[in-house]
Amino acid sequence: GQSLEQPSEVTAVEGAIVQINCTYQTSGFYGLSWYQQHDGGAPTFLSYNALDGLEETGRFSSFLSRSDSYGYLLLQELQMKDSASYFCAAYNQGGKLIFGQGTELSVKP
Amino acid sequence: EAGVAQSPRYKIIEKRQSVAFWCNPISGHATLYWYQQILGQGPKLLIQFQNNGVVDDSQLPKDRFSAERLKGVDSTLKIQPAKLEDSAVYLCASSLGGRNQPQHFGDGTRLSIL
Repeated sequence: GQSLEQPSEVTAVEGAIVQINCTYQTSGFYGLSWYQQHDGGAPTFLSYNALDGLEETGRFSSFLSRSDSYGYLLLQELQMKDSASYFCAAYNQGGKLIFGQGTELSVKP
Repeated sequence: EAGVAQSPRYKIIEKRQSVAFWCNPISGHATLYWYQQILGQGPKLLIQFQNNGVVDDSQLPKDRFSAERLKGVDSTLKIQPAKLEDSAVYLCASSLGGRNQPQHFGDGTRLSIL
């Protein structure tokens, strides 16, 4: 089967660092993406990891370990506007993007 | 660049009625996707087009859902007849193609079935 597991919700305070984990089970895994979705809005692309290691883009970083079937999204210097749902999504060999159930991040003042 | 355009933004219909959604992808994007997102879940791929050809429609309920992408640009997704479980947000996305290319999503159509 194909599935991704991530926590349903995470709460953190402004200025803090938060890590959202994702484990996956996907036939023919090719890479892991992260998307952000504000309430009622469109999912927006954050990052993509095809190789093991850390990718950094401003305050956001994403990590992948193919041997552990695991990845995470790291958000630093949290801001109120970061309150949103975050989805990990795995590409399978057929090129299909399979999304996790999403993690709702609440940033408190 | 202009983003992915979808209409309508909201739609309320009764079960057994039909409904159609429209999507205009980002100019130059050969790959177009339709996703269904049920409240509290991640988007689920319904159908993927490469230009005007279907690449993957394995999760499209073909007895009631249909989609087309004439001329390889705009696309429409239709449901006929609608069931209560079809209540969801229908998202259209486009990309240049390839796994390392991000998918750009529209704001979606929120469908409510009464």
